[in-house]
Amino acid sequence: AAGVIQSPRHLIKEKRETATLKCYPIPRHDTVYWYQQGPGQDPQFLISFYEKMQSDKGSIPDRFSAQQFSDYHSELNMSSLELGDSALYFCASSSDGYTGELFFGEGSRLTVL
Amino acid sequence: GEDVEQSLFLSVREGDSSVINCTYTDSSSTYLYWYKQEPGAGLQLLTYIFSNMDMKQDQRLTVLLNKKDKHLSLRIADTQTGDSAIYFCAESHSGNTPLVFGKGTRLSVIA
Repeated sequence: AAGVIQSPRHLIKEKRETATLKCYPIPRHDTVYWYQQGPGQDPQFLISFYEKMQSDKGSIPDRFSAQQFSDYHSELNMSSLELGDSALYFCASSSDGYTGELFFGEGSRLTVL
Repeated sequence: GEDVEQSLFLSVREGDSSVINCTYTDSSSTYLYWYKQEPGAGLQLLTYIFSNMDMKQDQRLTVLLNKKDKHLSLRIADTQTGDSAIYFCAESHSGNTPLVFGKGTRLSVIA
């Protein structure tokens, strides 16, 4: 079965650079969520989109932005990267006919040097 | 605010049952989840339960929900070394709302 696809899986950047992470939800899923998981931490909600509109906002820094496109994929843009942005970034997707099933991708590991 | 609490560590012998506990504070939680995360890997959905249920069983996994005490548990029968991982409890208010995670319980299985 198709899963949530994230790219890139690994990314290394230097401070003050920018990075873009991509998420392709499960087919027919229209809601996308972004989470950040620091080392040894639990996942923290950043932002979500439903039908290409922002639906909820969590602890996303102002330096970050995200959007969902017409094909339902989503991109998380991170600028002026800081050392503390080093983390695993997860994308998850769900469908409008919500059954409780919320599936995560394998994550994108960002390392900021 | 919302809060999900879990014990941080659990160690069991191979073949024994594991019970991982979770408490939450939000009485309006509708969905409660258990996710498994192996080192360096993603979050694997193990099972979930609606708040109007008190038990759900899926092969070796049994989820018990005590809504009155806001207590959720995950029992893994016949625990194997491959079950060693971090187990996250999570809750959400309703469909399509973000999950709130606990800190995770690190399960170590001793052969």
